[in-house]
Amino acid sequence: KAGVTQTPRYLIKTRGQQVTLSCSPISGHRSVSWYQQTPGQGLQFLFEYFSETQRNKGNFPGRFSGRQFSNSRSEMNVSTLELGDSALYLCASSPGRPNTEAFFGQGTRLTVV
Amino acid sequence: AQSVTQLDSHVSVSEGTPVLLRCNYSSSYSPSLFWYVQHPNKGLQLLLKYTSAATLVKGINGFEAEFKKSETSFHLTKPSAHMSDAAEYFCVVKDNAGGFKTIFGAGTRLFVKA
Repeated sequence: KAGVTQTPRYLIKTRGQQVTLSCSPISGHRSVSWYQQTPGQGLQFLFEYFSETQRNKGNFPGRFSGRQFSNSRSEMNVSTLELGDSALYLCASSPGRPNTEAFFGQGTRLTVV
Repeated sequence: AQSVTQLDSHVSVSEGTPVLLRCNYSSSYSPSLFWYVQHPNKGLQLLLKYTSAATLVKGINGFEAEFKKSETSFHLTKPSAHMSDAAEYFCVVKDNAGGFKTIFGAGTRLFVKA
């Protein structure tokens, strides 16, 4: 069974630009969650999508948005990039049912210059 | 409300000695609890999970954790550390009612000395 795939693995963007990150979950998984990881703030939850609907949301500004498609693939978009958005963005997929664990992708390393 | 507290930000052990990484949690509902490991510049890998079955849970690479409801703890242990265990470890609680919200601890960095 293929794991969680995140693309691209590395990205360099300029302040003010926007970026879209992609996540393909494990086949059959309906839940996709996104996390931002930085040395200073640790692992922070961005949002979770389940069956194309946002089910949970963290405390991030509206510049961070996401969506999920009917095949469960998810994208995350960050608009008007700031230097502080430089981070490792992790995607996790799960069946979305009680007592089920999440499986993580390798992450996308975003650098904003 | 849920919360997770990893009591040590850094733990240093010598190779071959026991590992103890401490985690306390709070949850309004019957939670699931997990430990994940992250090696540098990698994603997170599941070590083990507790889902209201046996309170002593065995995971991969010789790790185990014990769920103690009275102490609201879920500490991770390993009898003998290996150099390859050096990584960051995250304790996670998942709400099994309502929105299945998942909360991560701040992480514990494990150093293993030769």
